[in-house]
Amino acid sequence: TQLLEQSPQFLSIQEGENLTVYCNSSSVFSSLQWYRQEPGEGPVLLVTVVTGGEVKKLKRLTFQFGDARKDSSLHITAAQPGDTGLYLCAGLYSGAGSYQLTFGKGTKLSVIP
Amino acid sequence: NAGVTQTPKFRILKIGQSMTLQCAQDMNHNYMYWYRQDPGMGLKLIYYSVGAGITDKGEVPNGYNVSRSTTEDFPLRLELAAPSQTSVYFCASSPGTLGELFFGEGSRLTVL
Repeated sequence: TQLLEQSPQFLSIQEGENLTVYCNSSSVFSSLQWYRQEPGEGPVLLVTVVTGGEVKKLKRLTFQFGDARKDSSLHITAAQPGDTGLYLCAGLYSGAGSYQLTFGKGTKLSVIP
Repeated sequence: NAGVTQTPKFRILKIGQSMTLQCAQDMNHNYMYWYRQDPGMGLKLIYYSVGAGITDKGEVPNGYNVSRSTTEDFPLRLELAAPSQTSVYFCASSPGTLGELFFGEGSRLTVL
């Protein structure tokens, strides 16, 4: 089983602040997905990154995939209360003809108005 | 659009009871998954299916069984419920191995 470490586990910030959450592994990903989960709901996909060094922007959210495809980060600019939720990264590993998607434990973000 | 529908949303079981969590998707996805989510532990894969009639174990399959008789439905059976099975269960579907997962709203199960 591949391990995917997310940090920090919890983050509480004021509205308007910037933040970065991290997702790291000792293994190489084929691709990596970021999901956001709100209380009482299932995770919803935000982005998929595939190429080492890739940067994707989704409004105030910037996603980066490490050059070696072992790590990723999510940066939020000027956080808003609507950004509150659990952010999960999920790495897709391939080997021996099969694929395995492994989730990190998540970063719980609270944005205080 | 219904997407992935899970029932029931909440259930309380006594130790030793059995039950089935239902999951249905209307997107014609071949891949379906069952995850459990415990506080601070992320999502753990229980079972998955790559098509009707094909199922395989995930990371934490003990105490559970699945079947996939149709593309649309992927029920999860809990036999002899134990307190360790108290969790939130999510069903998900995907158009392919590399694709986005579409999740249901979850089923919160408590075993007392």
